[in-house]
Amino acid sequence: AQKVTQAQTEISVVEKEDVTLDCVYETRDTTYYLFWYKQPPSGELVFLIRRNSFDEQNEISGRYSWNFQKSTSSFNFTITASQVVDSAVYFCALSEAALYGGSQGNLIFGKGTKLSVKP
Amino acid sequence: DGGITQSPKYLFRKEGQNVTLSCEQNLNHDAMYWYRQDPGQGLRLIYYSQIVNDFQKGDIAEGYSVSREKKESFPLTVTSAQKNPTAFYLCASSPPPGRSKGYTFGSGTRLTVV
Repeated sequence: AQKVTQAQTEISVVEKEDVTLDCVYETRDTTYYLFWYKQPPSGELVFLIRRNSFDEQNEISGRYSWNFQKSTSSFNFTITASQVVDSAVYFCALSEAALYGGSQGNLIFGKGTKLSVKP
Repeated sequence: DGGITQSPKYLFRKEGQNVTLSCEQNLNHDAMYWYRQDPGQGLRLIYYSQIVNDFQKGDIAEGYSVSREKKESFPLTVTSAQKNPTAFYLCASSPPPGRSKGYTFGSGTRLTVV
């Protein structure tokens, strides 16, 4: 069975600190996708990144970076120099490869990590 | 701009009533999904549809029903059989696997039983 674990329920940091959100996943599939989403207080999920299981290169996008390690089944997310606007709930998610062309399969979510960045 | 529209944003239901949550997308995505979010629980899959006129139960389908008569629309009905319907409901759609962007989510409907 597929599972995503975000062990950190809540994290509180002071602005400009770096923070890492942990994500550990379980799957028997050899082809799968990993995601991170941000959910601000408004409720809408904002897509941050999608990685497939064959691409272990780390990725950086501005202050955001992701560390994908298949050996430890982890896909951690780091925010450098955090800002108050980063305060949100962050979800890690996993999906199977598509059963047939046209979709990516269903998303399995972790329970989320609530990040509070204080000025 | 393309996206997903969910309506209404807030919905109140009396005990024993059925209510329908609307989800419309103009992204030309084949697959659509309904998720339920409870505090501290993450998102759980209710129903999904890979193609028009076809849909499958997710992990918590009991007390819910859906239809997929059009590619753009995937309404969710919360029936009186759902004993604890108060939650935040999110609709999503997904592109083919080759696209770089992930699933797109609507802004959600917050349902409260009164």
